[in-house]
Amino acid sequence: GQQVMQIPQYQHVQEGEDFTTYCNSSTTLSNIQWYKQRPGGHPVFLIQLVKSGEVKKQKRLTFQFGEAKKNSSLHITATQTTDVGTYFCAPNAGGTSYGKLTFGQGTILTVHP
Amino acid sequence: SAVISQKPSRDICQRGTSLTIQCQVDSQVTMMFWYRQQPGQSLTLIATANQGSEATYESGFVIDKFPISRPNLTFSTLTVSNMSPEDSSIYLCSVTATGGRYEQYFGPGTRLTVT
Repeated sequence: GQQVMQIPQYQHVQEGEDFTTYCNSSTTLSNIQWYKQRPGGHPVFLIQLVKSGEVKKQKRLTFQFGEAKKNSSLHITATQTTDVGTYFCAPNAGGTSYGKLTFGQGTILTVHP
Repeated sequence: SAVISQKPSRDICQRGTSLTIQCQVDSQVTMMFWYRQQPGQSLTLIATANQGSEATYESGFVIDKFPISRPNLTFSTLTVSNMSPEDSSIYLCSVTATGGRYEQYFGPGTRLTVT
């Protein structure tokens, strides 16, 4: 699968501060998916990005796919305690291998009230 | 969305024994996936379970250690054989959304501790 590096590994913020996690690949990705895993829970799908330079928003979350389709980012504005969890990026293999995810290392977000 | 259940939710096993994990989906799906999440780590794909054919294993995972069954389109099992403490992980099954959607749904996971 396509390998991705995710930074930072950990992020501690005060409630109300912004948060960004970055996902980088050495190769061009056909797509990138983002998942959130709450402590003790399982990964939950957030979004898929496919197009070069694509930007998608979900309330306080903004997802971007780089022009070269080698990097992506997730930005959360004004974090809340409900944002706590691990955020993973994962390219989804295409074609007959669709469904195979290669997860990044994840960014663990802690929000202090 | 697909609803996925797994059994058992957790277990503590002795080294050298085997554990079979069940994954049940509330709808028919073509492919099911098994992932492992070691403590504090990310998820790693173990294998793809296809109905009517042998499972396809990722690099580093072999059938003798992780035999998989897929008897129908809603059910699969993963066996962790001859366990060692290094097998202590959360094992999750996953399916792809249907109806033109592309997200992956994950089961709640099976937390395995090997002593």
